[in-house]
Amino acid sequence: EIVMTQSPATLSVSPGERATLSCRASQSVSSNLAWYQQKPGHAPRLLIYGASTRATGIPARFSGSGSGTEFTLTISSLQSEDFAVYYCQHYNNWPPVTFGPGTKVDIK
Amino acid sequence: EVQLVQSRAEVKKPGESLTISCEASGYSLTSYWISWVRQMPGKGLEWMGRIDPSDSYTNYNPSFQGLVTISADKSISTAYLQWSSLKASDTALYYCARSECTTTSCLLDFWGQGTLVTVSS
Repeated sequence: EIVMTQSPATLSVSPGERATLSCRASQSVSSNLAWYQQKPGHAPRLLIYGASTRATGIPARFSGSGSGTEFTLTISSLQSEDFAVYYCQHYNNWPPVTFGPGTKVDIK
Repeated sequence: EVQLVQSRAEVKKPGESLTISCEASGYSLTSYWISWVRQMPGKGLEWMGRIDPSDSYTNYNPSFQGLVTISADKSISTAYLQWSSLKASDTALYYCARSECTTTSCLLDFWGQGTLVTVSS
């Protein structure tokens, strides 16, 4: 099973600042990497797939990069609605898809 | 508009059986797989397994193999997650997610609202 790790566990950011979240895979997942946003009481929402492609309706302030084992999600200028937990996930067909433990972005 | 509407929250006793559902609309159910994902209280996301509704072929995460059963009824655009004997440790929020699967990848792109299952004596 591919193990996904994320850092930091919590990121405290002021509105308007840039946030950089990291994700690492225990073996190469090529570009089969997605990022999800989850707000309290809500289902995860797909933000990024293919490591760098924004999903439909996702603002341009969200960007993803990386390939292989190292990935980054950048939020260029945090808005109030962006404070949430962010999960990375590989979606290689098999082994089963696995998620990282999440990074909580909260207000500084 | 793609929608996955899940069944309501359930409170059950250990040993009881349960089936929860996920009704798809806004797209053809047989064109995508459906995955199920568990989120235990205050924890992260765990992929449980998936089903191809066109032929009911399933794949399970080995961690969940034999513990749950995933099925689908394409005639009513609905997928199911079933337990035959619940345990307290099954208490969690369960999500279904539309999954775009190829031979090399399987992306979960739209998610249901979640079904909370509480198992307590």
